[in-house]
Amino acid sequence: DSGVTQTPKHLITATGQRVTLRCSPRSGDLSVYWYQQSLDQGLQFLIQYYNGEERAKGNILERFSAQQFPDLHSELNLSSLELGDSALYFCASSDGGSTFYEQFFGPGTRLTVL
Amino acid sequence: QKEVEQDPGPLSVPEGAIVSLNCTYSNSAFQYFMWYRQYSRKGPELLMYTYSSGNKEDGRFTAQVDKSSKYISLFIRDSQPSDSATYLCALIQGAQKLVFGQGTRLTINP
Repeated sequence: DSGVTQTPKHLITATGQRVTLRCSPRSGDLSVYWYQQSLDQGLQFLIQYYNGEERAKGNILERFSAQQFPDLHSELNLSSLELGDSALYFCASSDGGSTFYEQFFGPGTRLTVL
Repeated sequence: QKEVEQDPGPLSVPEGAIVSLNCTYSNSAFQYFMWYRQYSRKGPELLMYTYSSGNKEDGRFTAQVDKSSKYISLFIRDSQPSDSATYLCALIQGAQKLVFGQGTRLTINP
């Protein structure tokens, strides 16, 4: 158990809908990262937050947004969902300091868009 | 061209064999090199990391980085069925963004 929690585990929804994925980092970790894993694209970095502020952005679509709250949990919002958004979404956390390279991954949320 | 190339396999070897997993990368600015292991239906977990060229050993695992060739390797000695998983190389450049390889699915047969 990495100490990172994600909810829900599974999510099934329809095209055009909006969903919110939630992540709680390990105790003491200030950085939260979001990743998308699909069969054809592999594991892709989406966005990073550090202590409530956006730190780095990857291949995140404009239909996707994220935020990190004062209690350090993070939410990833996916809107106007398309079939191609079906994937595993992982959250990871790190202390953001000297061991930033060591990211601890949660169990993931499996999103299915029908 | 992808920033990090990794053969997705699958790779199947008998128990006890030495396994060699590899990645190549194109951007010489990458500074940190990691190997993650991902079991089915689980999140990736960090196995090893290296900062510079050379070898790093941890038990049955050895990570090797050759910056001049932009080539990284992970060797598993005395492979066990419990090593069956997908192995992903990951590289960091500058900002703390991990760039992952496609992952190699490995099966160790008893």
